[in-house]
Amino acid sequence: DTGVSQDPRHKITKRGQNVTFRCDPISEHNRLYWYRQTLGQGPEFLTYFQNEAQLEKSRLLSDRFSAERPKGSFSTLEIQRTEQGDSAMYLCASSKTSGDYNEQFFGPGTRLTVL
Amino acid sequence: AQTVTQSQPEMSVQEAETVTLSCTYDTSENNYYLFWYKQPPSRQMILVIRQEAYKQQNATENRFSVNFQKAAKSFSLKISDSQLGDTAMYFCAFMSKDSARQLTFGSGTQLTVLP
Repeated sequence: DTGVSQDPRHKITKRGQNVTFRCDPISEHNRLYWYRQTLGQGPEFLTYFQNEAQLEKSRLLSDRFSAERPKGSFSTLEIQRTEQGDSAMYLCASSKTSGDYNEQFFGPGTRLTVL
Repeated sequence: AQTVTQSQPEMSVQEAETVTLSCTYDTSENNYYLFWYKQPPSRQMILVIRQEAYKQQNATENRFSVNFQKAAKSFSLKISDSQLGDTAMYFCAFMSKDSARQLTFGSGTQLTVLP
């Protein structure tokens, strides 16, 4: 399977702990996006990378959220000092940048539960 | 900033019948794309259909078609000959051609196809 993969699929943590999620995009895709989806809502954009450069991060929810894509391949999203309000599905998507339009392909998501 | 509104949280349709999901959006931009995404239960989001704002002709993909009314900022999805596998959450989404290419989603419509 050469789709977008995310790990772990589920994470349960206690309030105040740090968590890190990983996303592996489709191999030839140089854009990578992170979204958050809370129950009953559509995904909400958080940040995106083109290769290793983080080109938009103003939509990250607080300074407890950070993302990296060190070699332009996989990406990590870290949440420090988790709060119960961080419980959500975290989705990753990737796309090419050639041409006028490039479809974003989504991964299965990481479901975070903060107790 | 763009907003996307889906006013039908839930809908149901009998197998083989036709159903229309509604979506309205608000933007001051002229160059953009509109999408319908499908998110089956516990599975990842997939693209159903895409419409470019400058094209007057409504997009179609097999049993799926849209009614794009640019002046009214309306973008509805029609599913013909509904199948049990169409049961899913459907999200309407907006993407500016001039920005970071992130998607702005509506809150979704849960469609259930009844046997």
